Formats: sequence, structure tokens, C-alpha cells
Amino acid sequence: QSALTQPASVSGSPGQSVAISCTGTSSDVGGYNYVSWYQQHPGKAPKLMIYDVSNRPSGVSDRFSGSKSGNTASLTISGLQAEDEADYYCTSYTSSSTLVFGTGTKVTVL
Amino acid sequence: EVQLVESGGGLVQPGGSLRLSCVASGFTFDDSAMHWVRQAPGKGLEWVSGVSFNSNRIEYADSVKGRFTISRDNAKNSLYLQMNSLRTEDTAFYYCAKDRLRYFDWACESWGQGTLVTVSS
Repeated sequence: QSALTQPASVSGSPGQSVAISCTGTSSDVGGYNYVSWYQQHPGKAPKLMIYDVSNRPSGVSDRFSGSKSGNTASLTISGLQAEDEADYYCTSYTSSSTLVFGTGTKVTVL
Repeated sequence: EVQLVESGGGLVQPGGSLRLSCVASGFTFDDSAMHWVRQAPGKGLEWVSGVSFNSNRIEYADSVKGRFTISRDNAKNSLYLQMNSLRTEDTAFYYCAKDRLRYFDWACESWGQGTLVTVSS
């Protein structure tokens, strides 16, 4: 199972919006609504930001939103803040009954 | 507060074995599926294995199938990962993670701090 494809990096100024794409196939992203997004700061454990494509866990800012179209899922961060600078990973359930992670995206706040 | 504490990492030679443990607290352990996820130093995340709340469903990544065994002891609030035939590419931080549901929702809502496994001669 190949990793899902994410851009290596995205950047934006404080207050701006950025979007991170996550491209898979019909055997993973396109075939199931089990898409999640994680935020990871250096040296820390990942944190769940979005589950089931577009749902936010309790306590996660509503500046984070998720969506999916076909084989591509997206995470949008609105009103970018300095604390949002981190690595972001998408995941999807697959037809092989496994979980596959994305390649990861580094978000930089300019 | 949910807490997941991993232990058992260390240095092991190629071909060797290691058993990781994860002790859970702050939630009803036997009400959640659980996962192991790893991350090689400076690299991305990789899912390793998952087990349903009652151990009736167990899944593995192809990269560890046949070498690693996941198990849980609900009476001890503990998750395990038996790792055999270790390879240098298994070197990573290993995280224990709690799924949102009893059977898989495939979303890890809580994570431990990880334990480092180094496979080297």
C-alpha cells in the first residue's frame, strides 16, 4: 500500500487560509469516509484534528475543516496562527483492511 | 484524562525480538479499539497494527505481517506488540493509540508519547 500523496510544504501569513491536499485512489480515500487528519509538533505525539472526512473532535478549533472530492481529501486551516506551524498527516482506511498515512506536509507561518 | 504509557523499547540486533507494552488509564479500555503506529526518526508516520475492543478483529500492515503480533489484556488495561525477526528498517518510535470506537473508526483520538526501538548490530 503506497502512502497517500501530500505536498511537502505549504505556507501562509497570519490570518490567511491554507489548504493541504491528500491524494489517494478509489481503494482508499475515494472508497471510504474514513479519512482523518493529524497535527504533529516537533518532538510531540500526533494530535487528531479531523475524523471521518469532516468531523472535528471536541476541543479542536473550528478554524480547521476537512472535505473530500473523489480520490482527494483536503484540510483547510483558516485564520492561520503561529501555533498552527507543524507537520500535518492525512490517513485513510484501505480496501486491504489497513490504514495508510500521507507523506506529510510542513505548514510554515510566515 | 486519557493516558497511554508505552514501554519496552530499546536496542536489539537484527533478527532479534522485542515486546512493547502500553498501559492505558483514564477511559474504559475494553470499550476502544487500539493501534500501534511508528515513526522512524525524522520520517513520516506509518500504521503498524490494530485490534478491536474484544480482539475479534486484528489487522497488520504488510511490512510487519508474519513478524509482529498485536494483543491486548483488557483485565490489565494493556496493549502489546510482540516484534520478531526485527530488521534495521523497523527502527522507529512506536506509539500506542486509542481508536474512537470499539470496532475501528480508523481515527486515533489519543496517543502515548512513544517508545524508541533501535535495530542495529
